[in-house]
Amino acid sequence: DIQMTQSPSTLAASVGDRVTITCRASQRIDTGVAWYQQRPGQAPNLLIYKASVLETGVPSRFSGSGSGTEFTLTISSLQPDDFATYHCQQYNTNWWTFGQGTKVEIK
Amino acid sequence: QVQLQESGPGLVKPSETLSLTCSVSGASTDTSRTFWGWIRQPPGKGLEWIGSVYKSGTTYHNLSLKSRVTISIDNSKNHFSLRLTSVTAADTAVYFCARTPWGRPFDSWGRGTLVTVSS
Repeated sequence: DIQMTQSPSTLAASVGDRVTITCRASQRIDTGVAWYQQRPGQAPNLLIYKASVLETGVPSRFSGSGSGTEFTLTISSLQPDDFATYHCQQYNTNWWTFGQGTKVEIK
Repeated sequence: QVQLQESGPGLVKPSETLSLTCSVSGASTDTSRTFWGWIRQPPGKGLEWIGSVYKSGTTYHNLSLKSRVTISIDNSKNHFSLRLTSVTAADTAVYFCARTPWGRPFDSWGRGTLVTVSS
């Protein structure tokens, strides 16, 4: 299986900050990478798919990039609603895997 | 708009079988180019894909769970199911069901249901 190593595990930031979260794959993969936002007590919500495609209805301050083994999620200007946990996922093979998650906290 | 709803016992005894059903509304499980999947999340931990099923009954599952997992689909009832045998405390988690259109990740999720394994 392909391991997805996500960093950092926790991130403290302020409203208005630019935030970047990274996921590294254990082997080279295509662009089948997704990013989800999860608030406490809720299901994950799809933000980005195919590494850089914004899901319909997701604010444009969210963006994704990357290829090969390194992928990033960027929030250009953190908003109060964005304090949550973010998960990456690869769906290139028939065995899908997630990163460990990054909790974005208020500084 | 598609909606998914998990149902099943919230408490299962060790060594017994966990059984959950995901009821789908707003879409048909008999849809082509769509998979239906199960994901779980132990308390305070990350997400783990359990497996996915197609309308034909074809399944893919996380091999780390070995032969304990069975995922099935009933298109006449518009639902799909998960069975996990020989459970232990490590199987305690929130279990989510979700939809996967072909070539896309999970784009619609149920709210999740907490299953606790305890005697």
